[in-house]
Amino acid sequence: EAQVTQNPRYLITVTGKKLTVTCSQNMNHEYMSWYRQDPGLGLRQIYYSMNVEVTDKGDVPEGYKVSRKEKRNFPLILESPSPNQTSLYFCASRRGTTTGELFFGEGSRLTVL
Amino acid sequence: DQQVKQNSPSLSVQEGRISILNCDYTNSMFDYFLWYKKYPAEGPTFLISISSIKDKNEDGRFTVFLNKSAKHLSLHIVPSQPGDSAVYFCAAGGGSNYKLTFGKGTLLTVNP
Repeated sequence: EAQVTQNPRYLITVTGKKLTVTCSQNMNHEYMSWYRQDPGLGLRQIYYSMNVEVTDKGDVPEGYKVSRKEKRNFPLILESPSPNQTSLYFCASRRGTTTGELFFGEGSRLTVL
Repeated sequence: DQQVKQNSPSLSVQEGRISILNCDYTNSMFDYFLWYKKYPAEGPTFLISISSIKDKNEDGRFTVFLNKSAKHLSLHIVPSQPGDSAVYFCAAGGGSNYKLTFGKGTLLTVNP
């Protein structure tokens, strides 16, 4: 089954404790991206990657890091989480780099205390 | 600067009637547009898209209309069903922009 898989789905952590949200897709897609969804703000892009070793900032990259060492994986790293990073995070992928529909994971709800 | 705007946070319609969700954009470089549906506790799922060379695209009960001169698109759902109750996001992309920019979403409630 074609899918984007994120882990963990739910996480409660404390300020400053580094964490990684993993994302994996099995569709051989070139493009991957991370979004966060917050009430009243919709979906905002954090980072995206057009291919292995090629990443770039989205609209809200502060406080986040990403890496793309393999085509299928695109982890999101919070080096020192803060309460304002409490959010619902979505990983997504698509075949083309500039067009096409995005396929989303089921989301990771992160709470930073 | 919000480049994709969904000005109605919510919409309520009766089952069997038409639902019309609206979206406005400001960036003239956008040349393709998508609608996503999102249920609680799930990721957004693709619904329908349209490129700027068309003004209408239809898929079953869902039709998207694009008015390039007004920088406006709309999603029509006919007939509406209770299972259509969800948050609908409009998204736009294009040119050399690798991003897909989303609106804030509209919560559609279809009442039985």
